[in-house]
Amino acid sequence: NAGVTQTPKFQVLKTGQSMTLQCAQDMNHEYMSWYRQDPGMGLRLIHYSVGAGITDQGEVPNGYNVSRSTTEDFPLRLLSAAPSQTSVYFCASSYSSGDNEQFFGPGTRLTVL
Amino acid sequence: AQSVSQHNHHVILSEAASLELGCNYSYGGTVNLFWYVQYPGQHLQLLLKYFSGDPLVKGIKGFEAEFIKSKFSFNLRKPSVQWSDTAEYFCAVNEDNFNKFYFGSGTKLNVKP
Repeated sequence: NAGVTQTPKFQVLKTGQSMTLQCAQDMNHEYMSWYRQDPGMGLRLIHYSVGAGITDQGEVPNGYNVSRSTTEDFPLRLLSAAPSQTSVYFCASSYSSGDNEQFFGPGTRLTVL
Repeated sequence: AQSVSQHNHHVILSEAASLELGCNYSYGGTVNLFWYVQYPGQHLQLLLKYFSGDPLVKGIKGFEAEFIKSKFSFNLRKPSVQWSDTAEYFCAVNEDNFNKFYFGSGTKLNVKP
């Protein structure tokens, strides 16, 4: 099992550009989520999905879009990048939410100039 | 919204010292509680979790945590730390088995050999 994979590992964008961060898991998990990690603020939930075709907003959804067309993939789209979106982004998956362990990907370090 | 507080942002210990990292949350209902660890250059991984039953839970690598409902706390402990415990530790809370997880700001532990 590859677990949770994320691409790219690093990305530099200019303000106003758009891009998609990819996330995939091969554990047949229903629950997937995106977090951003900023110094001194821990991880904050951006969006999550409880299954294919179902997504919902987390704590900090503005400026981001998600879709879940398959169980395996959960891409995160930045519509018009801003310097405030400079962060490390983590994707995670679990069997379901609640008391289940989340498995995290390696992260994508994004810099917006 | 739920808030999760980790008051120790940076802890420095010598090997064999005892460790206690604080975690407090704000939600008064049923909670699932987690401690995750991020070793340098590695993914976040689960140390331990509490969802019901014995409030003293044991995790990997000799870590344990105690859930004290009256204090809204879930402190992480280890009797004798090792240099390999150097990492960042995150407390996380899920309330009432809903679909959102809230993380604390993290505690960086530096263990001197």
